[in-house]
Amino acid sequence: GDSVTQMEGPVTLSEEAFLTINCTYTATGYPSLFWYVQYPGEGLQLLLKATKADDKGSNKGFEATYRKETTSFHLEKGSVQVSDSAVYFCALRGAGFQKLVFGTGTRLLVSP
Amino acid sequence: DTEVTQTPKHLVMGMTNKKSLKCEQHMGHRAMYWYKQKAKKPPELMFVYSYEKLSINESVPSRFSPECPNSSLLNLHLHALQPEDSALYLCASSQGRTSGPRGSYEQYFGPGTRLTVT
Repeated sequence: GDSVTQMEGPVTLSEEAFLTINCTYTATGYPSLFWYVQYPGEGLQLLLKATKADDKGSNKGFEATYRKETTSFHLEKGSVQVSDSAVYFCALRGAGFQKLVFGTGTRLLVSP
Repeated sequence: DTEVTQTPKHLVMGMTNKKSLKCEQHMGHRAMYWYKQKAKKPPELMFVYSYEKLSINESVPSRFSPECPNSSLLNLHLHALQPEDSALYLCASSQGRTSGPRGSYEQYFGPGTRLTVT
């Protein structure tokens, strides 16, 4: 079945550091890929998405590129802020399915 | 507007109580979802409604009873819960098509209801 693998956390960075959170997936066909962010005590917010190979999703300085050859969708940000501290979930939606398959989540902690 | 609202924000209930969680969206979405999220875990899908009909039940115990009165509203009725049912309950919505031209049909989540069963 479909699956998503994320890097273990927590990821601890200083403010203005470069961020990469790795995400790889296993799926049949051409899934849509997503990054969601969850701030403490809140629900999930859609951060960005990509629907086909080589698509780049971007939002609020975050970017991720749908790489079919490496089955990856790594999340990057050039300069993190303390306010980016949250849990980040990579997810996929298989073609024709309503279910989202989530990774285990990666906690990001940014210190001043 | 990509807002999904949920009420109440917090709920404490005893094991013999009956309570309901409510979810609402006004984005014209025709698919709505209930998820359960335990601490430090990803959300787990419970139910999916598509065009107001239950399309997926992930083998959820009958003490959880979903209801979709119309395309904007989704309820989750709770009865005789156990302490292990304490969790964050999330509602989500998306466009309803599951076939045809491929789209991302991303899901938009509400803020959740923090449920504690005593």
